[in-house]
Amino acid sequence: SYDLTQPPSVSVSPGQTATITCSGDKLGDRYVWWYQQKPGQSPVLVISQDTKRPSGIPDRFSGSNSGNTATLTISGTQAMDEADYYCQAWDTNILIFGGGTKLTVL
Amino acid sequence: EVQLLESGGGLVQPGGSLRLSCVVSGFTFSNYAMSWVRQAPGKGLEWVSGISGSGGATFYADSVKGRFSISRDNSKNTLYLQMKSLTVEDTAVYYCAKDVFVNYGSGSYYNFWGQGTLVTVSS
Repeated sequence: SYDLTQPPSVSVSPGQTATITCSGDKLGDRYVWWYQQKPGQSPVLVISQDTKRPSGIPDRFSGSNSGNTATLTISGTQAMDEADYYCQAWDTNILIFGGGTKLTVL
Repeated sequence: EVQLLESGGGLVQPGGSLRLSCVVSGFTFSNYAMSWVRQAPGKGLEWVSGISGSGGATFYADSVKGRFSISRDNSKNTLYLQMKSLTVEDTAVYYCAKDVFVNYGSGSYYNFWGQGTLVTVSS
């Protein structure tokens, strides 16, 4: 089976850049999607197909994917960005999520 | 406005059964694949099952294959998940999620999610 690995937690100061990684074997050969989930809420798509921002998502969110690692970058991180972030990819007909990364803004 | 409303969760004993429903509105239901995704308490997201827009193709995670059955009634704008032989490991919030394509498969992703319904398996 194919696994996606994320760091359990990332901390960032307000206004700084947060980087959240998602690793998998030759992940750069696949598309990656990123979801944000705040406590008690449903997930929200923030990045599609490695780099695309859905309508309504602030431009401080960006994504990249190369080699074995996909990266979600949040520039000028705000307190409202504190949440869990999940990467998503595909393995044949099975949709896979990474284990999630808790982003703390402090 | 797209809305997805799950129901049917609750407390069930190990070995028991439960059927979840997800009523949708705000889009042409039959034009989109749908999925169930679950989240155990304090844990991450886990895809459970997916179904094509016509209902003709269904897919399951290994963890639920043979125990869960996904279906849809396009005339009622409703997605279902029939769960049987439940174990404590099935305890989770179950979300229904709308796909961006009509066919479930590689490249799909979710642009809308319901609020979830909690399933607790305990004696």
